Amino acid sequence: QQQVKQSPQSLIVQKGGISIINCAYENTAFDYFPWYQQFPGKGPALLIAIRPDVSEKKEGRFTISFNKSAKQFSLHIMDSQPGDSATYFCAASRSSGSARQLTFGSGTQLTVLP
Amino acid sequence: DVKVTQSSRYLVKRTGEKVFLECVQDMDHENMFWYRQDPGLGLRLIYFSYDVKMKEKGDIPEGYSVSREKKERFSLILESASTNQTSMYLCASSTYGTGNEKLFFGSGTQLSVL
Repeated sequence: QQQVKQSPQSLIVQKGGISIINCAYENTAFDYFPWYQQFPGKGPALLIAIRPDVSEKKEGRFTISFNKSAKQFSLHIMDSQPGDSATYFCAASRSSGSARQLTFGSGTQLTVLP
Repeated sequence: DVKVTQSSRYLVKRTGEKVFLECVQDMDHENMFWYRQDPGLGLRLIYFSYDVKMKEKGDIPEGYSVSREKKERFSLILESASTNQTSMYLCASSTYGTGNEKLFFGSGTQLSVL
């Protein structure tokens, strides 16, 4: 039972192109949607996040688009660079007892060709 | 910067052995988590703890237990290791959730069970 579905599994983009990764969720209790970036040999690190009361959030070349009615959100990387090559995970967070629980998507391995 | 340290980068164990994975964080975070990362499955939550001596089951707790005797240390225990527990294990910590929590991850422990 995968509560957060992510696609594609892998993505190859030319330098300067736009990378788009999509995620969909089922549980309407989710109320916070972060994206994590992971380089080989490292743990994931928070990249950008959004709350469902806004439809878009932009930080530099990275933009999250959020569609609450469709229960979908996506990460757009503009002007993709070889240094962006990494694995990207979408996630969704909700309250769980006395803490908050983060559920991750299956990940997208992005390769940006020089 | 927050530092989350996992005791081993690589670990090789035999089927049936009892395995301890240790994690220490240095930022006085209340919450600590153990995830396992498998290709195509993303990060799956095993257990988490929101306070000393408190623990909650995540999505895949079977075959695992945890211990949190001190705030900075969270241990994952495989009581009797099996080959299907071969995986990358990631520890993370975060401060008390206000709905926009940021997880800080360690670099992971690649466990191979032979």
